[in-house]
Amino acid sequence: DTEVTQTPKHLVMGMTNKKSLKCEQHMGHRAMYWYKQKAKKPPELMFVYSYEKLSINESVPSRFSPECPNSSLLNLHLHALQPEDSALYLCASSQEVSGGTYNEQFFGPGTRLTVL
Amino acid sequence: AQSVAQPEDQVNVAEGNPLTVKCTYSVSGNPYLFWYVQYPNRGLQFLLKYITGDNLVKGSYGFEAEFNKSQTSFHLKKPSALVSDSALYFCAVRDRGSGYSTLTFGKGTMLLVSP
Repeated sequence: DTEVTQTPKHLVMGMTNKKSLKCEQHMGHRAMYWYKQKAKKPPELMFVYSYEKLSINESVPSRFSPECPNSSLLNLHLHALQPEDSALYLCASSQEVSGGTYNEQFFGPGTRLTVL
Repeated sequence: AQSVAQPEDQVNVAEGNPLTVKCTYSVSGNPYLFWYVQYPNRGLQFLLKYITGDNLVKGSYGFEAEFNKSQTSFHLKKPSALVSDSALYFCAVRDRGSGYSTLTFGKGTMLLVSP
């Protein structure tokens, strides 16, 4: 199974709502990532988890809260978002994140988030 | 700091003609280089990577890329373009020397293949 799955595919939420994005992989990868992507722009790294521990937080606002319950699952909890947070949120995984041999990241299809 | 440049916002090519999407990089140390493709409303798909070894790297869907250390380039190529190759292409680089190094993407190049 070489697939990263993300749910939901689309999400519309108000600025006072609380919602969560879910990402799952069963490739045995120990590094998982959240990216934010605006239309026709490159992905922007938000968070990196390595062996279920948060390794990198790219100065993301606290209204985004990541969680890694186990090695296969990654969540992104959303609260009090702003309209400018509307974007495609991509999850990715890879075998390594630090040093050694670097392996490519496998991306999920993304969640299209609209904040009203 | 590492960086990647994709000098063309858009590349237009006729179906059946060869295509090139350009990428240049700037890193400290030896680079890991990647190409990804993104179709509309989809995630990124890995095409190929250069880590070490042969300068000509072959990847998915008939794509290949040539690593040129002296020109710090990693251009993506395909001998005969297909309409279905039309998509957004990203070059990316990782710096092998650092710890939790990040994947730095270029701005992307839109490839349009006309019938």
